[in-house]
Amino acid sequence: GNSVTQMEGPVTLSEEAFLTINCTYTATGYPSLFWYVQYPGEGLQLLLKATKADDKGSNKGFEATYRKETTSFHLEKGSVQVSDSAVYFCALNTNAGKSTFGDGTTLTVKP
Amino acid sequence: NAGVTQTPKFQVLKTGQSMTLQCAQDMNHEYMSWYRQDPGMGLRLIHYSVGAGITDQGEVPNGYNVSRSTTEDFPLRLLSAAPSQTSVYFCASHAEGAADTQYFGPGTRLTVL
Repeated sequence: GNSVTQMEGPVTLSEEAFLTINCTYTATGYPSLFWYVQYPGEGLQLLLKATKADDKGSNKGFEATYRKETTSFHLEKGSVQVSDSAVYFCALNTNAGKSTFGDGTTLTVKP
Repeated sequence: NAGVTQTPKFQVLKTGQSMTLQCAQDMNHEYMSWYRQDPGMGLRLIHYSVGAGITDQGEVPNGYNVSRSTTEDFPLRLLSAAPSQTSVYFCASHAEGAADTQYFGPGTRLTVL
């Protein structure tokens, strides 16, 4: 079956530090890959996505590149802010209609 | 557009009680799903639907029932609540296709005593 493995958290960084959250996947076929963000007390919302190999998704300074050869979709941001504190989920979709999520990584950014 | 709505936001049940969590979307999405979120366990798929009249089991379906009589609504029924079902429940929808983003509701926080 499909699976997503995320870097374990929690992650604590100082403001303006560089962020990497690792994500690797196992899937049959050609999945689309996503990063979702969840702020306290809210549902998940899309951060960025990539639908085919070598695509780069980007949004709000976050980036992730779909690497088929390493089955990875690592999330990066060059300079984090306090407002980036949240839980981040890596996910994949296949045409079967089901999504598979990683366990989530909690990020805390301190001023 | 309201997007995905869920009711109630909070619910406390006693063991053995039954209830229905409501979910509705106004985006005409074919695909809808129910997840539960527990600390340290990410999101686990309970049931999903690829269209009206079609449902299927996810990873953790036991103790839950669903139906999809319309495109808009996808209620989740707890048949006989157990403390192990204490969790936060999220409903989500997306258009057909692997590339489509899932849209999540705000969640229902359920406590079973």
